[in-house]
Amino acid sequence: GQNIDQPTEMTATEGAIVQINCTYQTSGFNGLFWYQQHAGEAPTFLSYNVLDGLEEKGRFSSFLSRSKGYSYLLLKELQMKDSASYLCAVMDSNYQLIWGAGTKLIIKP
Amino acid sequence: ETGVTQTPRHLVMGMTNKKSLKCEQHLGHNAMYWYKQSAKKPLELMFVYNFKEQTENNSVPSRFSPECPNSSHLFLHLHTLQPEDSALYLCASSQGTGTGGNIQYFGAGTRLSVL
Repeated sequence: GQNIDQPTEMTATEGAIVQINCTYQTSGFNGLFWYQQHAGEAPTFLSYNVLDGLEEKGRFSSFLSRSKGYSYLLLKELQMKDSASYLCAVMDSNYQLIWGAGTKLIIKP
Repeated sequence: ETGVTQTPRHLVMGMTNKKSLKCEQHLGHNAMYWYKQSAKKPLELMFVYNFKEQTENNSVPSRFSPECPNSSHLFLHLHTLQPEDSALYLCASSQGTGTGGNIQYFGAGTRLSVL
């Protein structure tokens, strides 16, 4: 079967750095997505990785290793507004998104 | 504002009611999706439409009936639901389907409670 694993919840301090990991086992691979979802709001697109390596976008970076079935989202200089759920999703061989259950990130002052 | 609008935002219905969820996208996309999001569970894909044609039905019970009159509008008609159908129903749109890097844009969802 297809499976996406990510931690259920993480806590970090304002101004610090946090890394949210995602491991996957899917039938085929056509890229990995990260979304942010604030409570009661729409999931919003953060990043897309299809090749190995690190993609940096401001305070957020996303890393992919296809051989290890592994990705992480790195958030730097954490702000209170970064408190949200972070969803990892892999596009499989049928170009469908397979989703993880999300990681709830709690930022403390 | 994501360009995808869902109404209503909240809905409470009895098991014998009939109601409809509405989704509208202003992004010029050709594909639209319905997802179910339950607490602490992955998003579950329900239906996919591409150019108004249904391309995916992930074994969804017949008490959920989608309708896509054009590429900008998507409905989910609900009847004789069960309490376990209580969840957040998300609509999304994308430029198309069947290609990598196809970013999906989501609405804020309809929070459905079935009593």
